[in-house]
Amino acid sequence: EIVLTQSPGTLSLSPGETATLSCRASQFVSSSRLAWYQQKPGQAPRLLIYGVSNRATGIPDRVSGSGSGTDFTLTISRLEPDDFAVYYCQQYATSVTFGGGTTVAIK
Amino acid sequence: EVRLVESGGGVARPGGSPRLSCVASGFTFQDHGMSWVRQAPGKGLEWVASINWNGDTRGLADSVKGRVTITRDNTRNTLYLQMSALRVEDTAVYYCARGVTSDWDQPSDFWGQGTVVTVSA
Repeated sequence: EIVLTQSPGTLSLSPGETATLSCRASQFVSSSRLAWYQQKPGQAPRLLIYGVSNRATGIPDRVSGSGSGTDFTLTISRLEPDDFAVYYCQQYATSVTFGGGTTVAIK
Repeated sequence: EVRLVESGGGVARPGGSPRLSCVASGFTFQDHGMSWVRQAPGKGLEWVASINWNGDTRGLADSVKGRVTITRDNTRNTLYLQMSALRVEDTAVYYCARGVTSDWDQPSDFWGQGTVVTVSA
């Protein structure tokens, strides 16, 4: 099983700043099969990024994904109030697993 | 509008065998793989199971292997999760989610609102 470790656990930032979230895999994630989700309290997750860097429908271009192999990054520029939430990475290269999540909190 | 509506949750006894259902609408159900993802209270997301468009290929998390079966009925636009030998640690919100393609091992682009399963004696 591929274990995904997300860091930091919590990121405290102000609106307008840039959030940089990390997702590290215990094994190589082949074919760029990595996705990112956003989840707000009481809501279902929402797909942000798939295939490492492809934005899902309706996701603004200030949200971007990058990385390869075992190290992946989600970057959210110019943070807006609606961006403060929990973010999860997911690999679907070898079965499916999720990371433990990173909370982006208002500073 | 894509809709996924889960049902079948509630309070179940340890060792119980509830069946969760997810009725899909607003898209061609048989064009997509489908998944169940759960979230224990205050915890992160945990993938449970996925199935491809025609049910030929499935994946199950190790934590539920041997206790859970995922199936689908494309004539009824419905996804199922048959659970058995329930444990207290199966307590969670269970989400139904649509895959972006017809394969089973895919990210999910639409999610239902979830159904809560509480395992308690």
